[in-house]
Amino acid sequence: DAEITQSPRHKITETGRQVTLACHQTWNHNNMFWYRQDLGHGLRLIHYSYGVQDTNKGEVSDGYSVSRSNTEDLPLTLESAASSQTSVYFCASRSSGTNEQFFGPGTRLTVL
Amino acid sequence: QKEVEQNSGPLSVPEGAIASLNCTYSDRGSQSFFWYRQYSGKSPELIMFIYSNGDKEDGRFTAQLNKASQYVSLLIRDSQPSDSATYLCAVTGNTPLVFGKGTRLSVIA
Repeated sequence: DAEITQSPRHKITETGRQVTLACHQTWNHNNMFWYRQDLGHGLRLIHYSYGVQDTNKGEVSDGYSVSRSNTEDLPLTLESAASSQTSVYFCASRSSGTNEQFFGPGTRLTVL
Repeated sequence: QKEVEQNSGPLSVPEGAIASLNCTYSDRGSQSFFWYRQYSGKSPELIMFIYSNGDKEDGRFTAQLNKASQYVSLLIRDSQPSDSATYLCAVTGNTPLVFGKGTRLSVIA
């Protein structure tokens, strides 16, 4: 079955360290997205990609970057982790035809 | 600024009743409308989508869309305690999905 996976599922890091969260999908979707979810804010879009070599900023992109070298993967990098980036991060992929979007299981990141 | 508004709840309904969840959106160009269910500590799960005005039924779930009023709703018939979750409304016009903050539903046995 096609799926979307994220790793690690839990991560504790220190302020100032670079962190990369992995996202891998086997749906063969061109569209991939990264969100963070915090109490009181709901799901907020960080970055997204509509295909290989395409990346776009979302509403809360500062301090984050992505790269898309193949269809299956969209890693999210925190260049210099800050305590404000403690959150739950969800990756998602979406069918271009139906717009149905599916989420990965999430990564809980704690920045100390 | 594209916005999707939902009542945060909690919405409490007795077991077996109909739960009605509502959502309004600001972008008149929106074309696709989705309902996600999110259990505590889990990721959002797509449960319904609707593209045309009117009703769409899938089992105990009915999605209703009124584009003129910019309103979309989700009805859950015969509510069960297992339906207790946060329900997220999402809207798109072929841009990234815009999500509401969700309505927390509690079904009381």
